[in-house]
Amino acid sequence: SAVISQKPSRDICQRGTSLTIQCQVDSQVTMMFWYRQQPGQSLTLIATANQGSEATYESGFVIDKFPISRPNLTFSTLTVSNMSPEDSSIYLCSARSTGYEQFFGPGTRLTVL
Amino acid sequence: AQSVTQLGSHVSVSEGALVLLRCNYSSSVPPYLFWYVQYPNQGLQLLLKYTSAATLVKGINGFEAEFKKSETSFHLTKPSAHMSDAAEYFCAVSPSSNTGKLIFGQGTTLQVKP
Repeated sequence: SAVISQKPSRDICQRGTSLTIQCQVDSQVTMMFWYRQQPGQSLTLIATANQGSEATYESGFVIDKFPISRPNLTFSTLTVSNMSPEDSSIYLCSARSTGYEQFFGPGTRLTVL
Repeated sequence: AQSVTQLGSHVSVSEGALVLLRCNYSSSVPPYLFWYVQYPNQGLQLLLKYTSAATLVKGINGFEAEFKKSETSFHLTKPSAHMSDAAEYFCAVSPSSNTGKLIFGQGTTLQVKP
């Protein structure tokens, strides 16, 4: 299994600003992902973070709004840009190693005022 | 398109009673299936997984699930509920090992009454 940490754990931001969320894995992993969990709802995949290349975004998510970096096999960042109250969610990072399962970080709880 | 349906957004059981959380999937290829649990204000923890080996899968905390291809189901069970089992449970499918994507069901909130 992989142990995943995220920073910050929570934040309250003003509309129009941006927040960068960091995700650190304790071992090298093949795949990293970013999910959004809106209040009281399930998880929706935002994108697959590709090491050394542009992230692969799911339908409804765009790079300008959610730029993602993955400079190496253990670290990734997600930026939520030009935030609005609708972006208030939990953002979760996950990683997959040699098995098929994904391991999740504790999440970043974002509130946009 | 692949999808996951969890029947019952809320399930309430008494402590010591059987827990049954239902999950049906839609996939054109043999899927990989997972159950995750989310405790309040925490991330997701893997309970168990099905990856085309044994159809009856045992997980952590006394949970198990059975893959039934004919019914496209992967229901989660536990013989005797504990108060500590109260949480949100998510069923997820990974239609392709190549992409690694997970598609989640809507989740089921399990309430355990004393």
